[in-house]
Amino acid sequence: SQELEQSPQSLIVQEGKNLTINCTSSKTLYGLYWYKQKYGEGLIFLMMLQKGGEEKSHEKITAKLDEKKQQSSLHITASQPSHAGIYLCGALSHWAGTSYGKLTFGQGTILTVHP
Amino acid sequence: DTAVSQTPKYLVTQMGNDKSIKCEQNLGHDTMYWYKQDSKKFLKIMFSYNNKELIINETVPNRFSPKSPDKAHLNLHINSLELGDSAVYFCASSPWERATNEKLFFGSGTQLSVL
Repeated sequence: SQELEQSPQSLIVQEGKNLTINCTSSKTLYGLYWYKQKYGEGLIFLMMLQKGGEEKSHEKITAKLDEKKQQSSLHITASQPSHAGIYLCGALSHWAGTSYGKLTFGQGTILTVHP
Repeated sequence: DTAVSQTPKYLVTQMGNDKSIKCEQNLGHDTMYWYKQDSKKFLKIMFSYNNKELIINETVPNRFSPKSPDKAHLNLHINSLELGDSAVYFCASSPWERATNEKLFFGSGTQLSVL
C-alpha cells in the first residue's frame, strides 16, 4: 500500500517567515493533494498536482511535485497567523484494480505562526 | 448550502453504548467515505461506498457498520463503543468514478468522546 511521510511533523515560525513542508511517497504518485485543516474544523482543499514537475500557487502558498512524482513540497511565503493549522498531503490511488479512488494521507504537519 | 454535512458535531457517550453519525452530501457524487482522525491528527480511511454499495473496508472492526440508504447519505453506526474509538470522524464525497482530477470534499467532522 502507498505510504506518505510528511516532514516536519510540527513547525513553529514567526510571522513573515517563509516555510516549507515536504511529503514523500513510497510509490509513484498518481495524484497528490494538499489540504489544510483548521483546529476543530474540516479539511480545506488547497491544491492538486498530477504531472511530474508541476507547480501550482494559490495566494502565498506554492506546491510542487517533483519530476519522479514521489515527492511534493508546500511552500508558504511571508507566513501569517491565518496560515496556522494542520497541513495534510494525500495520495490518490485506486482500490483493487477498480476505478474507485481513495485518498491516503500523510500524518500531517502542525503549523503554528506567532504574530 | 453546505456540500457535505455531518451530524452531530460533538458526541460524548459512555463506553459500551451504541451511537450513530449521519452524513449527507448535495453534490450529486456517487462515492462517499468515512475517515477517522486520531489524537495525533493522523487521518485514516475507514470505508468507501459507491452508489450505496460498499467498495472499501479498511480492516475496520465489525462494531462499525456504515449504512447508505441512498447515494447522498452515508451513516456510521458504532456498537459497543470503546475508549479507543474516541477520535474525530470525517465524512467525505468525491466524483472520482467520473474524473480523477477532482477533489475530495470533506464534512466538518464529528468529535466523538467515549468516557
